[in-house]
Amino acid sequence: SQKIEQNSEALNIQEGKTATLTCNYTNYSPAYLQWYRQDPGRGPVFLLLIRENEKEKRKERLKVTFDTTLKQSLFHITASQPADSATYLCALGFQKLVFGTGTRLLVSP
Amino acid sequence: DVKVTQSSRYLVKRTGEKVFLECVQDMDHENMFWYRQDPGLGLRLIYFSYDVKMKEKGDIPEGYSVSREKKERFSLILESASTNQTSMYLCASSKLQGIYEQYFGPGTRLTVT
Repeated sequence: SQKIEQNSEALNIQEGKTATLTCNYTNYSPAYLQWYRQDPGRGPVFLLLIRENEKEKRKERLKVTFDTTLKQSLFHITASQPADSATYLCALGFQKLVFGTGTRLLVSP
Repeated sequence: DVKVTQSSRYLVKRTGEKVFLECVQDMDHENMFWYRQDPGLGLRLIYFSYDVKMKEKGDIPEGYSVSREKKERFSLILESASTNQTSMYLCASSKLQGIYEQYFGPGTRLTVT
């Protein structure tokens, strides 16, 4: 069955550093991959979408890479801030998405 | 500002009660979704609708039904609530054509006692 893996352990980093989150998948050949941010007690909010023919996508301090050979996406936040602390979810699919369980990011001042 | 709203933020129901969760979107989206989110299990799709009166089962439809009588409204029904349906329920919507992001509501935390 399709499986999406994100590191279940929280990632702790210091303000100003680059945070890198990983999304690995198996038994799937997605043409699209999305990243969402979720704050406690709230619904996820869309951040970025990357297509299989795009190796990298950027939006302000965010960068996403998509390696279909490794079956992996990396999500980077540069110059991280405490306000970036949240859980980040990756999702695969077309109209219906399959979500990973998310990785919690904690940015300390 | 686009919006998906859900009828309740918190809900407490008793075992065996019939529960209605309502979701409304103001973006004229064709697709609407119901998920539940549990610690360690992530977001799991319960039901999906791509048009009025159309529905498709998701990964965990057992114990749930849905209704979509109007484009903007998608209801999730728990016919006879059970304690294992205690969860956070999230509604989302998206456009039909092409690849688009999903917009989520704030969620309803349902507790069944």
